[in-house]
Amino acid sequence: QVQLQESGPGLVKPSETLSLTCTVSGGSITSSGYFWGWIRLPPGKGLEWIGGLYYSGSTYHNPSLKSRVAVSIDTSKIQFSLELSSVTAADTAVYYCARWVGASGHFDYWGQGILVTVSS
Amino acid sequence: QSVLTQPPSVSAAPGQKVTISCSGSSSNIGSYSVSWYQQLPGTAPKLLIYEYNKRPSGIPDRFSGSKSGTSATLGITGLQTGDEADYYCGAWDSSLSAGIFGGGTKLTVL
Repeated sequence: QVQLQESGPGLVKPSETLSLTCTVSGGSITSSGYFWGWIRLPPGKGLEWIGGLYYSGSTYHNPSLKSRVAVSIDTSKIQFSLELSSVTAADTAVYYCARWVGASGHFDYWGQGILVTVSS
Repeated sequence: QSVLTQPPSVSAAPGQKVTISCSGSSSNIGSYSVSWYQQLPGTAPKLLIYEYNKRPSGIPDRFSGSKSGTSATLGITGLQTGDEADYYCGAWDSSLSAGIFGGGTKLTVL
């Protein structure tokens, strides 16, 4: 059973960079065909696909966030990370990490989520 | 404004059936598989349906999926109060080169 767990600060100041890490257990982060992704749920709104990467290095991002998003993978620590720069209050959300099955395009395993608030 | 369009809310009585629609285009539903997720209050989304009509292990056959052209539908039969949740459709979009979700549908079991 694959498990994912988000970690990072729960409060970020406006204009700063939001940094989150997702630790994977119960499965290999280097397996081909899986995309390690980030999704968020702003308060009162719906799910938003942020982006992520394959172990091979290919990355995909939501075009509306692309210029501010950076993702990376650390196979030695079995972790992947998200950095979102120049945050504003609109970036306040619950952030989830999840595994995307590339061949059929769905997220099969999700982390429990972490609330990140952007406020001074 | 989401690329995939869902009704904001649906409701039905316990034991009844409900359907939730998800409308897209040729660059997403028309060309790629659709998945459906259930999000109970305060919890992470859970995969209900993938590849239009497949259910992960542990998902009861009360949940079903279908697709026609550029639209997909989630069906839930034998409604239970525990089914009250937000439901989202998702797919890949080749125009965006990114994944997308519908705006979500809140199911109320009256």
